[in-house]
Amino acid sequence: AQKVTQAQTEISVVEKEDVTLDCVYETRDTTYYLFWYKQPPSGELVFLIRRNSFDEQNEISGRYSWNFQKSTSSFNFTITASQVVDSAVYFCALSEALSGYSTLTFGKGTMLLVSP
Amino acid sequence: EAGVTQFPSHSVIEKGQTVTLRCDPISGHDNLYWYRRVMGKEIKFLLHFVKESKQDESGMPNNRFLAERTGGTYSTLKVQPAELEDSGVYFCASSQPGRVGRSTGYEQYFGPGTRLTVT
Repeated sequence: AQKVTQAQTEISVVEKEDVTLDCVYETRDTTYYLFWYKQPPSGELVFLIRRNSFDEQNEISGRYSWNFQKSTSSFNFTITASQVVDSAVYFCALSEALSGYSTLTFGKGTMLLVSP
Repeated sequence: EAGVTQFPSHSVIEKGQTVTLRCDPISGHDNLYWYRRVMGKEIKFLLHFVKESKQDESGMPNNRFLAERTGGTYSTLKVQPAELEDSGVYFCASSQPGRVGRSTGYEQYFGPGTRLTVT
């Protein structure tokens, strides 16, 4: 069975600090997908990134970057020069390709609070 | 393009009452998913439709929950009778169609959720 662990329940930083959100996953599949979603105070879940298990290249999108390491089963998310608007709950999720469909297994989420 | 919409945004009902949640997926998305987040816990999968067919309802907690997707468009999730432990946020998501039986890894687009409070 698959599992996603986000050990950090809540992180507080001051604006302009860099922050890394950890995500560790467990799966028996060799083919799987990893996701990050952002849940701002308004409540909706906003898709940030998808990674498949065959692509270990790190990705950068503006102030966001993701570090995927299969050796440690981790898919960490870094926000550089954080801003108040980054305050949200961030969820890491896993989808196993061979389960047949794309149902997501989520971690418990990490609440990020960025203060001015 | 309109995103996933859910109605109502918030519902407060008494234990024993019935509530029906509605989800309108993104047009053209055959896959529709229901998830639930109970306070402080993970977002948990409830069930998955492909068009009008239930493909996986392994996450449905019990037979008090009934989901439908008539015509393969919008979906409803009925809770009858509601219990206190049903309180939480119910999310709906949709994704593009893919090959039957294989996960496409397509990202799921989520609605804003319906916050259900059972008192």
